[in-house]
Amino acid sequence: AQSVAQPEDQVNVAEGNPLTVKCTYSVSGNPYLFWYVQYPNRGLQFLLKYITGDNLVKGSYGFEAEFNKSQTSFHLKKPSALVSDSALYFCAVRRYQAGTALIFGKGTTLSVSS
Amino acid sequence: DVKVTQSSRYLVKRTGEKVFLECVQDMDHENMFWYRQDPGLGLRLIYFSYDVKMKEKGDIPEGYSVSREKKERFSLILESASTNQTSMYLCASSLQLGGDEQYFGPGTRLTVT
Repeated sequence: AQSVAQPEDQVNVAEGNPLTVKCTYSVSGNPYLFWYVQYPNRGLQFLLKYITGDNLVKGSYGFEAEFNKSQTSFHLKKPSALVSDSALYFCAVRRYQAGTALIFGKGTTLSVSS
Repeated sequence: DVKVTQSSRYLVKRTGEKVFLECVQDMDHENMFWYRQDPGLGLRLIYFSYDVKMKEKGDIPEGYSVSREKKERFSLILESASTNQTSMYLCASSLQLGGDEQYFGPGTRLTVT
């Protein structure tokens, strides 16, 4: 069965430090992977995606993600965290049996302290 | 910019009422989706549609139905609202291609009392 796991409910980082939000997946075949961010009382915003090509994908707001096929991971990273990065982050993978519908992880709350 | 709008940000309904949640997108997207978001559970797919008048069940369709009479509009219907349907409902749309990202509306926070 296809699935996505975000092993950490919360990640705490000091402003200026690097951040990593973890995601692992389980799919048959090549995965299409996505990261979304949700600010309080807002809908989800697309950050970046991996379809094929370079394992390091760059996205919005200085975020990047590294696709690792052997570890079935797609961790979200940023070299220097900002307080404004504090939000709820979701990893997602495309379902193969349902067009472009996505399977989402349970979300990781990122808290960046000043 | 793609815009997905939802008819209400906050909605309070009574148990047993019929509830309509409306979603409109302005980018001529083929695919539209309804998710519900609950703390600790992430987003769960209720229904999706890949064309006008077409619909497919997601993971949790029980208690819900949908309607897509026009390409830009996708409605979620709670036939008889129950308290366990209190949740945040998110609508999304995307192009047909599998690698295309979904664009989300702001959400409707529904409370059923």
